[in-house]
Amino acid sequence: QQQVKQSPQSLIVQKGGISIINCAYENTAFDYFPWYQQFPGKGPALLIAIRPDVSEKKEGRFTISFNKSAKQFSLHIMDSQPGDSATYFCAASPNAGNNRKLIWGLGTSLAVNP
Amino acid sequence: DTEVTQTPKHLVMGMTNKKSLKCEQHMGHRAMYWYKQKAKKPPELMFVYSYEKLSINESVPSRFSPECPNSSLLNLHLHALQPEDSALYLCASSQARGGREAFFGQGTRLTVV
Repeated sequence: QQQVKQSPQSLIVQKGGISIINCAYENTAFDYFPWYQQFPGKGPALLIAIRPDVSEKKEGRFTISFNKSAKQFSLHIMDSQPGDSATYFCAASPNAGNNRKLIWGLGTSLAVNP
Repeated sequence: DTEVTQTPKHLVMGMTNKKSLKCEQHMGHRAMYWYKQKAKKPPELMFVYSYEKLSINESVPSRFSPECPNSSLLNLHLHALQPEDSALYLCASSQARGGREAFFGQGTRLTVV
């Protein structure tokens, strides 16, 4: 059973548009929610992360929105550019125990058309 | 220096070969990881080293053997692999165990023939 559910699986956006990727989780022990960006043939790169004590975090054109009651978080990419075309993974990590392992979503393939 | 360096970038090996993947980081991170990633899938955790000791083995077959010679280096020794082991092998490091704020290398693309 997928502990972090990510949607959509793929997304096509026009240049300058807003890309929105959503993730949902069930485990209330999760307290760290990162987003990774991965280009073909490269390793994932940490893009932005949020903890549940804030509802929004913004870094440049990238914003995470977090809804603790709904157990959902999303990535918004403003003014999307062709260079943003990549696979995006959300993830979550629990707050306790020796194994605070990252649990990954299945990924979203984003294509930004010029 | 915020890089995790992996070598080689590409590797083709036969099922009877022995090869090693190497990973290096100079960020002073005390946790290092091996992940396996199949096409269009998220990374799957294989091993975690914390303070140079193996702390997690995610039930990985013994044909994969990790080694952490020092706090900056991580190796993955490969022996008698199967074609289904072909994948992108990623090394990562982080300050804290668990993978939070992990930095990933660019990976080794392994093909088993």
